[in-house]
Amino acid sequence: DAMVIQNPRYQVTQFGKPVTLSCSQTLNHNVMYWYQQKSSQAPKLLFHYYDKDFNNEADTPDNFQSRRPNTSFCFLDIRSPGLGDAAMYLCATSRDWAGGYNEQFFGPGTRLTVL
Amino acid sequence: GESVGLHLPTLSVQEGDNSIINCAYSNSASDYFIWYKQESGKGPQFIIDIRSNMDKRQGQRVTVLLNKTVKHLSLQIAATQPGDSAVYFCAEWGNNRLAFGKGNQVVVIP
Repeated sequence: DAMVIQNPRYQVTQFGKPVTLSCSQTLNHNVMYWYQQKSSQAPKLLFHYYDKDFNNEADTPDNFQSRRPNTSFCFLDIRSPGLGDAAMYLCATSRDWAGGYNEQFFGPGTRLTVL
Repeated sequence: GESVGLHLPTLSVQEGDNSIINCAYSNSASDYFIWYKQESGKGPQFIIDIRSNMDKRQGQRVTVLLNKTVKHLSLQIAATQPGDSAVYFCAEWGNNRLAFGKGNQVVVIP
């Protein structure tokens, strides 16, 4: 009974070719997050949605965009992937955006390779 | 391709022994802390959490200790098993966001 689902698990794209990663959740959580994680590093928050409100991190490149068409789904769009964007992309959800309710449930991740 | 990663601090522990993983957090205003376990190729998995009004919390085979005076968090794993081999991240909730610390790799020797 998967709760946070990411598709695909592995994605290969070419340099500069747009790619979309998908996340869905069955938890009915208000908040959905996208993280980038490079090898041996901590997850780095790119942005999050609180319901329909989009919140971008200050240092997230414009190359990264996101959409949340409904409560269950959230997409990460990389408009022109560069070699440096190769990473694991993690989707997470939490019930709310506040300490104590911020336990984040992570999906299995999508491993992006850029050729 | 992906940039070369950093070398993680690694704890090698004999199966059956206890493990202690330490984390120094940065924000004295942080009021909620979480330990995550991340196995190779998987997303982080919640292990245990603790609020700042507590100094100790126990789960199944795991204990988290919080020392706010020195901004230190630790995770103790009792009777470490091969399935405990993973990277462990602490995370702190403060300034309205969750910040992850650097990971610690645990390698269990059978």
